[in-house]
Amino acid sequence: NAGVTQTPKFQVLKTGQSMTLQCAQDMNHNSMYWYRQDPGMGLRLIYYSASEGTTDKGEVPNGYNVSRLNKREFSLRLESAAPSQTSVYFCASSERAGRADTQYFGPGTRLTVL
Amino acid sequence: AQSVTQPDIHITVSEGASLELRCNYSYGATPYLFWYVQSPGQGLQLLLKYFSGDTLVQGIKGFEAEFKRSQSSFNLRKPSVHWSDAAEYFCAVGAPSGTYKYIFGTGTRLKVLA
Repeated sequence: NAGVTQTPKFQVLKTGQSMTLQCAQDMNHNSMYWYRQDPGMGLRLIYYSASEGTTDKGEVPNGYNVSRLNKREFSLRLESAAPSQTSVYFCASSERAGRADTQYFGPGTRLTVL
Repeated sequence: AQSVTQPDIHITVSEGASLELRCNYSYGATPYLFWYVQSPGQGLQLLLKYFSGDTLVQGIKGFEAEFKRSQSSFNLRKPSVHWSDAAEYFCAVGAPSGTYKYIFGTGTRLKVLA
């Protein structure tokens, strides 16, 4: 089992460019999440998908869109990248979207917006 | 509002010394508490979790944590630190359904001196 995989590992964008971060899990989990990690801020939830076919905003959704493509895959799109979106992005999954459910994290995507 | 505080941004210990990382939470009901570790360049890995029952919880890699309701704390401990424990440690609380699922602390970066 690969667990949670993310592509790409690194990306540099210019302001205004768009890109999609890909995430896939092979644990048959129902719920998936996108976080961003910034120094001194911990992890903040951008969007989550409690189950296939549903998505909801998290704490910091502005400037992002998501697609739950199927049970395995959950992508994060930046339509017009801004320097404030320079961050490390983590995808995670859990069996359910409950507060007691352990989340499993991917290795992250380091994004720089110039 | 729920919150998680990790008062120590950086901690340095010598290899073989004991370790305690502090975590305080603000939550009205019985919390669901987690400790995650993030090694350099990696995603987050679950160390241990507390839901109920015995207030001393054992985790992987020789870590343990103690839940103290009276102090609203969930401190992480290890009796003898190894150089490979150098990483960033995050405390998290499972939030009530309908909110952001997990609330993360800002992290404590551990440095281990040889």
